Amino acid sequence: TQLLEQSPQFLSIQEGENLTVYCNSSSVFSSLQWYRQEPGEGPVLLVTVVTGGEVKKLKRLTFQFGDARKDSSLHITAAQPGDTGLYLCAGLGVYGNKLVFGAGTILRVKS
Amino acid sequence: SQTIHQWPATLVQPVGSPLSLECTVEGTSNPNLYWYRQAAGRGLQLLFYSVGIGQISSEVPQNLSASRPQDRQFILSSKKLLLSDSGFYLCAWSKMNTEAFFGQGTRLTVV
Repeated sequence: TQLLEQSPQFLSIQEGENLTVYCNSSSVFSSLQWYRQEPGEGPVLLVTVVTGGEVKKLKRLTFQFGDARKDSSLHITAAQPGDTGLYLCAGLGVYGNKLVFGAGTILRVKS
Repeated sequence: SQTIHQWPATLVQPVGSPLSLECTVEGTSNPNLYWYRQAAGRGLQLLFYSVGIGQISSEVPQNLSASRPQDRQFILSSKKLLLSDSGFYLCAWSKMNTEAFFGQGTRLTVV
């Protein structure tokens, strides 16, 4: 069974601070995806990283895929209250079919 | 464009009653289909996934079953619901090695 460990589980910070969320596994994934979810809705994709060592930036969000394709991180610079939400990492199995999720990180940014 | 429909949005069922949640996808063919369950504010637990008609992979032993009678239809069922089956159920689809797109979810409460 492929497991993804996501940390921290909960993060409460002040507006303007930086933060990093981690997603780790002992398994290799063909890709790692990061989603954001609002209450009562389905998750929405933020980014997909495919190549080991890959770094992608989405405005103030920076995503990195580990060299061995077993882990990933999400870094937010100068967090804003609008960043508040549940962030989920998800790993796609090597055959491209099975998508498993981490436990999620609840982020709260206070103004 | 592709769309995914999941219904009902909310459901209250007595213990011991049967369950049938339906999910249909439009605008694509031969998608990978998924059923997830989510506890409040937490990650998604993969219950079942399917890569084709009649092909179901079960991820965790449980009181639920899934079927895929048509290419773009995925059904989650139970013969007798338990209290522990309460939760937020999400259906999703994807193509090989791409992001997953989610339905709006079904909030199931077993009483």
